[in-house]
Amino acid sequence: KQEVTQIPAALSVPEGENLVLNCSFTDSAIYNLQWFRQDPGKGLTSLLLIQSSQREQTSGRLNASLDKSSGRSTLYIAASQPGDSATYLCAVRPGDYGQNFVFGPGTRLSVLP
Amino acid sequence: GAGVSQTPSNKVTEKGKYVELRCDPISGHTALYWYRQSLGQGPEFLIYFQGTGAADDSGLPNDRFFAVRPEGSVSTLKIQRTERGDSAVYLCASSPEGNSPLHFGNGTRLTVT
Repeated sequence: KQEVTQIPAALSVPEGENLVLNCSFTDSAIYNLQWFRQDPGKGLTSLLLIQSSQREQTSGRLNASLDKSSGRSTLYIAASQPGDSATYLCAVRPGDYGQNFVFGPGTRLSVLP
Repeated sequence: GAGVSQTPSNKVTEKGKYVELRCDPISGHTALYWYRQSLGQGPEFLIYFQGTGAADDSGLPNDRFFAVRPEGSVSTLKIQRTERGDSAVYLCASSPEGNSPLHFGNGTRLTVT
């Protein structure tokens, strides 16, 4: 059974810092991995999707990497801003083309002005 | 364009009652998902529709839970004989097809008293 963990559970940084969020999964047979952002009381917003054949994806100040063989992904946020404060979740799609995405518990990020 | 819409945004019901939660996906999205999220945790998969059919309902916790999507657009999640443990935020997501980013609604917060 696929399990997804995220470290740290919470992170507080001053504005302007670069930071890395970690996601680990137990079964390396995945189809793709997505990073999401969730604001309090809201749904999830997709940030980046990495296919299993890719190593990284970039969007603006965000860069996500994937090392499928070791079961790890990282989300790098450059020059953090207070508006980046949110919970960040990763989710993996099973490699058997299943649609039962498995989510991690999230990392709660606070960027202090 | 309009995003995924979920109604109601909040629902309070008494133990043992029946509830229906509605999801309007983004127009043209054939894939629709229901997830359940408890406080401090990542979303937990419930069911996936491709068009009108439930392609994967392996996440439904028991036979009190049922979902339909009769015309391949709007979906309704139905919970019979609600229990206090059913209290959670129920999230709906849609995507154009299975390998695209998921678009989430803001969820329905269900409280069973």
